[in-house]
Amino acid sequence: DGGITQSPKYLFRKEGQNVTLSCEQNLNHDAMYWYRQDPGQGLRLIYYSQIVNDFQKGDIAEGYSVSREKKESFPLTVTSAQKNPTAFYLCASSIRGRGPGQPQHFGDGTRLSIL
Amino acid sequence: GIQVEQSPPDLILQEGANSTLRCNFSDSVNNLQWFHQNPWGQLINLFYIPSGTKQNGRLSATTVATERYSLLYISSSQTTDSGVYFCAVVVSFQKLVFGTGTRLLVSP
Repeated sequence: DGGITQSPKYLFRKEGQNVTLSCEQNLNHDAMYWYRQDPGQGLRLIYYSQIVNDFQKGDIAEGYSVSREKKESFPLTVTSAQKNPTAFYLCASSIRGRGPGQPQHFGDGTRLSIL
Repeated sequence: GIQVEQSPPDLILQEGANSTLRCNFSDSVNNLQWFHQNPWGQLINLFYIPSGTKQNGRLSATTVATERYSLLYISSSQTTDSGVYFCAVVVSFQKLVFGTGTRLLVSP
């Protein structure tokens, strides 16, 4: 079945460590996105990528990094510079079209906690 | 930046009741999506609706872009409808801005 796979489902990090969250899609979508959700809040955009080897900062990119070496993969690294990394992280993908935006489809998320 | 406000913030319904959720946005948008986030955190696409009305089973949505609002109707609610409903608007190339959500609890 086509879809978006995020792993791991739960992740624990010690302070000062970098961690990488995986996002893989087999929908043949060009565009991919990372969002952060804090308890009781909506989602906020961290990074997005419209094509391979290209990505742009979203609204809260500080303390995060991404890469887009393959169309199907868009890993997110939470660095030690991110002061409050505990959150729910969601990855999404969409068709890259010329029209007024294409619907985004989401993975099941990764919950990151600081030990 | 654009502001997206949803109302009510919380809603409690008896099973079988109908409800209307509202999404107001402060500027012109290219498109709008409604999502349901279930208690496990999964975010499910409900509607992709730039204007007009769409229906899918017990759910329907209407967007009036010129007046900057969208409505989500839930009829004959079921306990499985519980969760948080988000609207999100597209303000530039495929960038989604999310509202604060409406938390719905449907009791048996």
